[in-house]
Amino acid sequence: DGGITQSPKYLFRKEGQNVTLSCEQNLNHDAMYWYRQDPGQGLRLIYYSQIVNDFQKGDIAEGYSVSREKKESFPLTVTSAQKNPTAFYLCASGPGQLSNQPQHFGDGTRLSIL
Amino acid sequence: DAKTTQPTSMDCAEGRAANLPCNHSTISGNEYVYWYRQIHSQGPQYIIHGLKNNETNEMASLIITEDRKSSTLILPHATLRDTAVYYCIVRSANQAGTALIFGKGTTLSVSS
Repeated sequence: DGGITQSPKYLFRKEGQNVTLSCEQNLNHDAMYWYRQDPGQGLRLIYYSQIVNDFQKGDIAEGYSVSREKKESFPLTVTSAQKNPTAFYLCASGPGQLSNQPQHFGDGTRLSIL
Repeated sequence: DAKTTQPTSMDCAEGRAANLPCNHSTISGNEYVYWYRQIHSQGPQYIIHGLKNNETNEMASLIITEDRKSSTLILPHATLRDTAVYYCIVRSANQAGTALIFGKGTTLSVSS
């Protein structure tokens, strides 16, 4: 089945540690996104990429980094500079330009601090 | 993006039709109406979208008024698993490649 796979489902981070969240899609979408969702809140954009080897900061990029070396993959690293990383992280993909086709989301990774 | 207005919450009995309204009175001619839902602790799920004609798929139907200023998402036979927050979003094809903006949505509670 076509879709977006996020792993792991749950992740724990120690103080001072960097952790990487995986996101893979087989929908042949050009664009990929990372959102953060806090309890009872809406989605906030961290980073997005419209094409391979290119990405842009979203509204809350500080303390995060990404790479887009392959069309199918858009990993997110939560660095030790992110002081409040506990949240639900959602990856999405969608058409790059001039399309009415929808974005699709993965099932999320829940990150907690040990 | 054109703004949307949705009721904060709705209730529905299991097996009955759930009709979720969305007001988008400032929608532009090239903007589509998209519906997503988010079940607790899961990622948002795409449901359906349309421009001006009514649309139906295996999950739901979308009814858009002739003036396009409002729409209704219809779940024909709601089940307990349809309990979720439902989001109505309007955006144009030109905005493909940009992030979705979710409002507060409608919390639908389906009860037996």
